[in-house]
Amino acid sequence: NAGVTQTPKFRILKIGQSMTLQCTQDMNHNYMYWYRQDPGMGLKLIYYSVGAGITDKGEVPNGYNVSRSTTEDFPLRLELAAPSQTSVYFCASSPGATGGASGELFFGEGSRLTVL
Amino acid sequence: GQQLNQSPQSMFIQEGEDVSMNCTSSSIFNTWLWYKQDPGEGPVLLIALYKAGELTSNGRLTAQFGITRKDSFLNISASIPSDVGIYFCAGQGGAQKLVFGQGTRLTINP
Repeated sequence: NAGVTQTPKFRILKIGQSMTLQCTQDMNHNYMYWYRQDPGMGLKLIYYSVGAGITDKGEVPNGYNVSRSTTEDFPLRLELAAPSQTSVYFCASSPGATGGASGELFFGEGSRLTVL
Repeated sequence: GQQLNQSPQSMFIQEGEDVSMNCTSSSIFNTWLWYKQDPGEGPVLLIALYKAGELTSNGRLTAQFGITRKDSFLNISASIPSDVGIYFCAGQGGAQKLVFGQGTRLTINP
């Protein structure tokens, strides 16, 4: 039962470097999401996708990009890393839209990113 | 945008005590959810509420969807060590996306 798998679990970046956080799910969910979690701030939505080929901005999209070429994969790219992007990033998926009975979010274990 | 205020931010209790936490919103929600996050893990759904006034239990956990649709409560009875973690409320209303509270960090002294 893999569920939602994120890699890497930990990463340290220098300011200005680029990297991609990988996310894959094996539950055939249409909806996928990227959140960031900062201490005492809860989870903030970065980007989401309602299906392959469709992505949209969330609450805090600046500095990030995503793509959704397959149902399974939803990578998050940081182009020019900044200290403000130090955070724990969570990928999640759901069979249906959030807010409904089929909208339960299934989260990965998180990726802790530090930008120095 | 929609905002949630979750309280308390942290709790330090003795094993066996009951726990109460709540979330309030500046706007009306149609859905309230409660998640728990264990250290080093992603959040896991505990209880989902879809109707104003709804009271739902999951073992020792009970959550309620407030009548005003602007608040929700989570109670944990007879706490045990594995209840330690961060509890998040989340709500959604209208065409908005799911919004998360700041979390309540629960620590239990044996």
